[in-house]
Amino acid sequence: QVQLVQSGAEVKKPGASVKVSCEASGYTFTDYAMHWVRQAPGQRLEWMGWINAGNGNTKYSQNFQGRVTITRDTSASTAYMELSRLRSEDTAVYYCARGTMVRGVILPNWFDPWGQGTLVTVSS
Amino acid sequence: DIVMTQSPDSLAVSLGERATINCKSSQSVLHSSNNKNYLAWYQQKPGQPPNLLIYWASTRESGVPDRFSGSGSGTDFTLTISSLQAEDVAVYYCQQYYTTPLTFGGGTKVEIK
Repeated sequence: QVQLVQSGAEVKKPGASVKVSCEASGYTFTDYAMHWVRQAPGQRLEWMGWINAGNGNTKYSQNFQGRVTITRDTSASTAYMELSRLRSEDTAVYYCARGTMVRGVILPNWFDPWGQGTLVTVSS
Repeated sequence: DIVMTQSPDSLAVSLGERATINCKSSQSVLHSSNNKNYLAWYQQKPGQPPNLLIYWASTRESGVPDRFSGSGSGTDFTLTISSLQAEDVAVYYCQQYYTTPLTFGGGTKVEIK
């Protein structure tokens, strides 16, 4: 079955960076997009960006431009999200979620499935 | 950005009764090229990631019970649970995929009365 398995919880200090991984199985990794969405305590779900797992092209939300980098390793069927210059407001659960591509082009679409989530805590 | 506004923030419904959740977008998410509404609904239970229920505003994902239904067009949408079951206790979110940034509603918490 299609499954996304994320790396474990992280605790970081303000100003540091964090890199979260998302290993995909059960489908052809390069045929789909991978999105990253975060959920801060008491806040709504927030889309961070996507990567075309086939060619590596990315698109980021303006809210994270310059701080987020999404990459992938096709040999490992794994996507990564790195967030830099962390601040306390970045404390959240970070999710990867599969998106749709058609003929190699990402379609803005729904997310299915989602990874189990990775809690990132930013605290001095 | 398209702002998604859900109402109510929470509701308590008796088992077997109907639950209705509303979602309003700040601009239309109906695409004129294919007459489809770019709107999805998710269910999130405590400690779990969101789970896709409905896409294209009214198409149920495979395996989703038929007591869940979506309706609406343009800027106003509704998720209806026709007969609430105990396992439906969760937070429900709408999401637009008409344009980036992809955006979500604030969520509606459904509880048992």
